[in-house]
Amino acid sequence: NAGVMQNPRHLVRRRGQEARLRCSPMKGHSHVYWYRQLPEEGLKFMVYLQKENIIDESGMPKERFSAEFPKEGPSILRIQQVVRGDSAAYFCASSLTNTVNTEAFFGQGTRLTVV
Amino acid sequence: SQQGEEDPQALSIQEGENATMNCSYKTSINNLQWYRQNSGRGLVHLILIRSNEREKHSGRLRVTLDTSKKSSSLLITASRAADTASYFCATDDMNTGFQKLVFGTGTRLLVSP
Repeated sequence: NAGVMQNPRHLVRRRGQEARLRCSPMKGHSHVYWYRQLPEEGLKFMVYLQKENIIDESGMPKERFSAEFPKEGPSILRIQQVVRGDSAAYFCASSLTNTVNTEAFFGQGTRLTVV
Repeated sequence: SQQGEEDPQALSIQEGENATMNCSYKTSINNLQWYRQNSGRGLVHLILIRSNEREKHSGRLRVTLDTSKKSSSLLITASRAADTASYFCATDDMNTGFQKLVFGTGTRLLVSP
């Protein structure tokens, strides 16, 4: 059973370009979470999705950022018109359920560098 | 500010010594989790302790939880060079549920051979 798969592992974008980050949850998991980690900091929650639904996006910037988790395929975090401040590691996690005391499994992350 | 604050921010020890990291949080929780992150890598789940538990063991790891003080500690016994990593605590928020884990800023542990 493969773990949470994120790709690409590293992504370099010029200012103004779009970044698309993909996350395939663990098999059987329908709950996906995106977190962002700035250098030397802990992870910060961005968005929680179930299949085809955004459940909680309270941690996501209002502009330029969007996320989806379609019925088929991976979850996508899209950042439009990237700026240098978007440079960070973006982690995806998945869980089997969303009940309390359920473990979340994290992917290896995508490290975005905006030049 | 961060829900979880780890202390110390950095810890340097010799192989064989024990390492203790502390975490404080602010809101009521259902559980607290500890994760390890090797440099430039993803997070590895170490242990989850529920709010009604006071202590939990897993191999060389011992976690305590004091909900009255809103604090937790992670003890790594007989440390090894391979334990070198950053360690984060993460809490859910009883009011918002599991899906919104709040991470501390982490403790960077260096274990020298």
